[in-house]
Amino acid sequence: DVKVTQSSRYLVKRTGEKVFLECVQDMDHENMFWYRQDPGLGLRLIYFSYDVKMKEKGDIPEGYSVSREKKERFSLILESASTNQTSMYLCASSLSAGLGSLYDEQYFGPGTRLTVT
Amino acid sequence: KNEVEQSPQNLTAQEGEFITINCSYSVGISALHWLQQHPGGGIVSLFMLSSGKKKHGRLIATINIQEKHSSLHITASHPRDSAVYICAVVGGSNYKLTFGKGTLLTVNP
Repeated sequence: DVKVTQSSRYLVKRTGEKVFLECVQDMDHENMFWYRQDPGLGLRLIYFSYDVKMKEKGDIPEGYSVSREKKERFSLILESASTNQTSMYLCASSLSAGLGSLYDEQYFGPGTRLTVT
Repeated sequence: KNEVEQSPQNLTAQEGEFITINCSYSVGISALHWLQQHPGGGIVSLFMLSSGKKKHGRLIATINIQEKHSSLHITASHPRDSAVYICAVVGGSNYKLTFGKGTLLTVNP
C-alpha cells in the first residue's frame, strides 16, 4: 500500500514564525502536492512538484514556498506564518509525471492541522 | 462562481437507505474523481471517471460529460459510510484538479 506521511498531525505556531511541514511518500511517485482545506472552501492547491527540484504554483501560492530535494519528500514552508494560514494542510502524491497525473489516483496523507496564534 | 458544485451540502440518512450525491460543473472536463474524507482528515480516492459508470461494492459512480453532471450512489447505506464526499474535475480554466466543496453524509443506525 502507498503510504503518505506528514510530520505532524497538529501544530501550533506564533505569528511570524517560520513553519516547515514535511511530507514523505514511499511508493516512488513522481508527483507530489500540497493542499489546504478550509470550511466552506474545499481543497485548494498550493504547490505541486512533478520532479525533484521542480515545482509549480497552484491556485494559492502566496505566503508559501516548497522544497523537493529528494523524490520521496516534499516540504511546505510558511516563511512568516500569519493567522490567515490557520488551516488543515494535506499532502498527496500520484504516480505519473506531467498532465497524465491528473487521471491518476492521488494518495493523501493524514493532514496537519496548523493553528497560527 | 465555483466551477464545481455539489449537492446537497449536507445529507442525513437512515441505515439501509439509497444515497445519491450530485456533482455539476460548468467547464469542459476530461475526467472526474470522487473522493471520501472521514472525520480526522484522511482522504481516499473512490473513483476516476471519464465516461459511463463504475461500481465498487456498494458504491456506484456515473458521469454524463455532455450534461456536465456526475452522481455518486451508495446502496444499502451504513453508518461507516458517514464521511465527506468530494468530487474533483480534470480540466477547466487551468487544467488542474478543481474540487467541489464536499457533501457531508451522516448515516444514522
